[in-house]
Amino acid sequence: SQKIEQNSEALNIQEGKTATLTCNYTNYSPAYLQWYRQDPGRGPVFLLLIRENEKEKRKERLKVTFDTTLKQSLFHITASQPADSATYLCALDLNSGYSTLTFGKGTMLLVSP
Amino acid sequence: DSGVTQTPKHLITATGQRVTLRCSPRSGDLSVYWYQQSLDQGLQFLIQYYNGEERAKGNILERFSAQQFPDLHSELNLSSLELGDSALYFCASSPRRGAETQYFGPGTRLLVL
Repeated sequence: SQKIEQNSEALNIQEGKTATLTCNYTNYSPAYLQWYRQDPGRGPVFLLLIRENEKEKRKERLKVTFDTTLKQSLFHITASQPADSATYLCALDLNSGYSTLTFGKGTMLLVSP
Repeated sequence: DSGVTQTPKHLITATGQRVTLRCSPRSGDLSVYWYQQSLDQGLQFLIQYYNGEERAKGNILERFSAQQFPDLHSELNLSSLELGDSALYFCASSPRRGAETQYFGPGTRLLVL
């Protein structure tokens, strides 16, 4: 069956450090992969999308890599701030053309001052 | 603010009852998606509508149904409610059928007692 795995344990880091979150998937050949941020009790917010033919994508302090051979995406936040504390979800398209996303359960990031 | 609105914000009801959740997509968006998020299951795709027609189905129970109206707002109907239906229900929208990024509403928190 199709599966998306994100580290269920919270990631605790100090302000200013780089946070790295992992998303692994099996039995998929997604055309793209997305990362969303979710704060407690609120809806997910889109952050970045990376396509299967792209190795890396950046947006301000965010960087995403996508290795289709390893079936893995890494999500980096550089110079992390307490305001970056949230749960980060990765999502893959289930049916290309219909945008039916399958989400991982997310990894909680806690950035301490 | 994503531009997607959901009502009500909170809903408390009893087992066996029926409720209706409402979603208004962003202006101009034709696709609407419904998701259920519980603590143990994560964000689960339920169903997608595009311009009034059902496009894709996910893990939606037979007790649940949805529709999208000509003005593009959508309703999710949950009937014969069980304790396990307690969750956050999110609506998301996107501009086109195959659009990649989804914009999530603030969610409706349903508590079944």
